[in-house]
Amino acid sequence: DTGVSQNPRHKITKRGQNVTFRCDPISEHNRLYWYRQTLGQGPEFLTYFQNEAQLEKSRLLSDRFSAERPKGSFSTLEIQRTEQGDSAMYLCASSVARGGSEKLFFGSGTQLSVL
Amino acid sequence: AQSVAQPEDQVNVAEGNPLTVKCTYSVSGNPYLFWYVQYPNRGLQFLLKYITGDNLVKGSYGFEAEFNKSQTSFHLKKPSALVSDSALYFCAVRIGSSNTGKLIFGQGTTLQVKP
Repeated sequence: DTGVSQNPRHKITKRGQNVTFRCDPISEHNRLYWYRQTLGQGPEFLTYFQNEAQLEKSRLLSDRFSAERPKGSFSTLEIQRTEQGDSAMYLCASSVARGGSEKLFFGSGTQLSVL
Repeated sequence: AQSVAQPEDQVNVAEGNPLTVKCTYSVSGNPYLFWYVQYPNRGLQFLLKYITGDNLVKGSYGFEAEFNKSQTSFHLKKPSALVSDSALYFCAVRIGSSNTGKLIFGQGTTLQVKP
């Protein structure tokens, strides 16, 4: 399977702990996006990378959130000092830049539960 | 501010009947519009997009969508529904004038096709 891969699939943590998620995009894709989805809502944009550069961060992404994409390949999303409000599905998507009309390929997501 | 609305939480249709999933949008400038589908335990999948040109856009799995500028709508349609079409459908619009895959998603509509 050469799709977008996310690990872990599920993560349960206690409030105040740090968590890290990983996303492996489709290999030839130069753009990588993180979205967050809560129950009954559509995905919300968090941040995106073009190659290794993080070009934009949403205001939804507080200082406790940090994302990296070293070497322009896989990406990690870390949440420090987790809060119950961080509980959500974290989605990663990748694409080939095409002037804003590109098709996004999504992974299956990481479901985070903060107790 | 840009926004997307899907007025129906759920649409029920009998197999073989035509289906419509509604979407309205609010954007400044020309809209870039998308439909994605989410099957259980799988990532969102691209169905189709409207950028410019013909108002009727054809996509994957026999789906099509009609762009109506005066009504600011982008309804998803299929002439004959299949049970396997049952899933969660999201309409999305590109954020601003950025040439990226940053999207605003609607809250989603569950399509239930009964045999």
